Amino acid sequence: AQTVTQSQPEMSVQEAETVTLSCTYDTSESDYYLFWYKQPPSRQMILVIRQEAYKQQNATENRFSVNFQKAAKSFSLKISDSQLGDAAMYFCAYRSANSGYALNFGKGTSLLVTP
Amino acid sequence: DAGVIQSPRHEVTEMGQEVTLRCKPISGHNSLFWYRQTMMRGLELLIYFNNNVPIDDSGMPEDRFSAKMPNASFSTLKIQPSEPRDSAVYFCATTWAVNGYTFGSGTRLTVV
Repeated sequence: AQTVTQSQPEMSVQEAETVTLSCTYDTSESDYYLFWYKQPPSRQMILVIRQEAYKQQNATENRFSVNFQKAAKSFSLKISDSQLGDAAMYFCAYRSANSGYALNFGKGTSLLVTP
Repeated sequence: DAGVIQSPRHEVTEMGQEVTLRCKPISGHNSLFWYRQTMMRGLELLIYFNNNVPIDDSGMPEDRFSAKMPNASFSTLKIQPSEPRDSAVYFCATTWAVNGYTFGSGTRLTVV
């Protein structure tokens, strides 16, 4: 099974600043999908952003963007102009394009946003 | 659309009792997943269904766990008998395509 690693258990950022959350994965496949999910204290899992491996262009959703480095198997999430509402657990997830539909999650990074 | 609906939101039960968690997927979503979340192990896939058929149940921890999807609008995850180590948040998620994963609000299970 593919392994997803989030090496930062906790991160902190000041309001209005930028923070980058790291994610690496291990796979022998060439076609796959990568996701970032946000889980606030309400425990709802919210999709933040999605990246198809075949696309070279990095995905962007408003203040959220990714740095997808396929050769390095790296998929970091950048949050710009951080807001108090961004405080949450962030999970990186991998999905194969060819062998099953399940998402394989990393252990998560807890993001604290300070005023 | 009401999203993926899970019930109950919280469940407290005594060890040895049967527990049934329920999930109603979004209409039209043909894949359904049950995940378990704990501090120690993170989010683990238990089982997933495609078009109501179980595809991969390798994540089901023991025979005490079973899941069914009798039709496209309903799934259950049953634990019998329950044990304290089953305490966790259980999520149901559904999708119809690679971009459409939607999670329910989860059921927090506490077994005492």
